Amino acid sequence: ETGVTQTPRHLVMGMTNKKSLKCEQHLGHNAMYWYKQSAKKPLELMFVYNFKEQTENNSVPSRFSPECPNSSHLFLHLHTLQPEDSALYLCASSPRSGGPEKLFFGSGTQLSVL
Amino acid sequence: QQQVKQSPQSLIVQKGGISIINCAYENTAFDYFPWYQQFPGKGPALLIAIRPDVSEKKEGRFTISFNKSAKQFSLHIMDSQPGDSATYFCAPNSGNTPLVFGKGTRLSVIA
Repeated sequence: ETGVTQTPRHLVMGMTNKKSLKCEQHLGHNAMYWYKQSAKKPLELMFVYNFKEQTENNSVPSRFSPECPNSSHLFLHLHTLQPEDSALYLCASSPRSGGPEKLFFGSGTQLSVL
Repeated sequence: QQQVKQSPQSLIVQKGGISIINCAYENTAFDYFPWYQQFPGKGPALLIAIRPDVSEKKEGRFTISFNKSAKQFSLHIMDSQPGDSATYFCAPNSGNTPLVFGKGTRLSVIA
């Protein structure tokens, strides 16, 4: 157990649905991240939050909307997704954003968009 | 994004053999060189990391070798075991920039 919990573990949604992914860390870290992991691409950084403030948005389409209400919780709101958005979405945390820091990852949410 | 090239994409090693995975980078500002290990159904986890002031670091059966002039670093797994079967990612990094991961190497250790 890494101290980073993601829910749900699996999600199937239609292209017109709205859903949210949740991440919670119990490590007292100040930075949280969303990564996307597709079958044939490297881990792609999506968003970075440092002390609840978004510090990086890696050209992510607006159909993905992050929210960080506090340093322990991170959400990814999804709406009108495309089939190519099907992937493993990983949340991570670190003591602060930027390196060199050890990232602690959750187990991810496997998302399928039909 | 900084370019990171990891090789090979996949690797099959006999139990007890040596697994070697390589990572080449371009950004000379990188000052932290970690390897992450990911098992199916789990997120990546830090395995071992090195700073540029040393050329080698060993932790148990895992060794990082670092070649600053060639801008490369590698992961060596000695006495490879079936339990080492996983995907390995390099993620060279510099201060104030989030980690950028290599494409990954899928290691299979067969008995």
